[in-house]
Amino acid sequence: GQQVMQIPQYQHVQEGEDFTTYCNSSTTLSNIQWYKQRPGGHPVFLIQLVKSGEVKKQKRLTFQFGEAKKNSSLHITATQTTDVGTYFCAGRQTGANNLFFGTGTRLTVIP
Amino acid sequence: EAGVAQSPRYKIIEKRQSVAFWCNPISGHATLYWYQQILGQGPKLLIQFQNNGVVDDSQLPKDRFSAERLKGVDSTLKIQPAKLEDSAVYLCASSWVKREQFFGPGTRLTVL
Repeated sequence: GQQVMQIPQYQHVQEGEDFTTYCNSSTTLSNIQWYKQRPGGHPVFLIQLVKSGEVKKQKRLTFQFGEAKKNSSLHITATQTTDVGTYFCAGRQTGANNLFFGTGTRLTVIP
Repeated sequence: EAGVAQSPRYKIIEKRQSVAFWCNPISGHATLYWYQQILGQGPKLLIQFQNNGVVDDSQLPKDRFSAERLKGVDSTLKIQPAKLEDSAVYLCASSWVKREQFFGPGTRLTVL
């Protein structure tokens, strides 16, 4: 079955440092979505990537979709304490209706 | 726009008891999802509805879990009988077809 793995599982950074999480799928994806879940909260949609090699930016966040559409990354520049939370990628296999969520990367920002 | 509503927010039961969760999706969203999120893991899809039909229930433990979506709007998820390993947060989400999902606050279930 489809598997979506994320690394690292945990990341501690000093405020102002950069952060990157990587997402890898065992199968080719039609699209990938990224969600953020604050401690004690529920996942909140950040962005969707559809095209091979696509890059999208949201302020300090940069999202990339790999050329083979099997991997993706989220990069945060100059982290802030408000960035704390767990970041999940969620991929949809080509032809499928459902999303498979990754294992998540838990980000801690030290002020 | 009102978000996805879920109730109850918390539930504590003993093993072998039954429990039911309720979800009211965002108005107009045709697709409704139930996820199980065990502490420290990503959400795992249990069942996906398109209107009132089931699209995917391949990961639903059908010997103990059941779900329905009457009239294509509200949905209930039931566990009967509950096991210790069912302790988790149960998240409901809704979306337009294959678009971003909007999650409710979840129901935290503890099985003793």
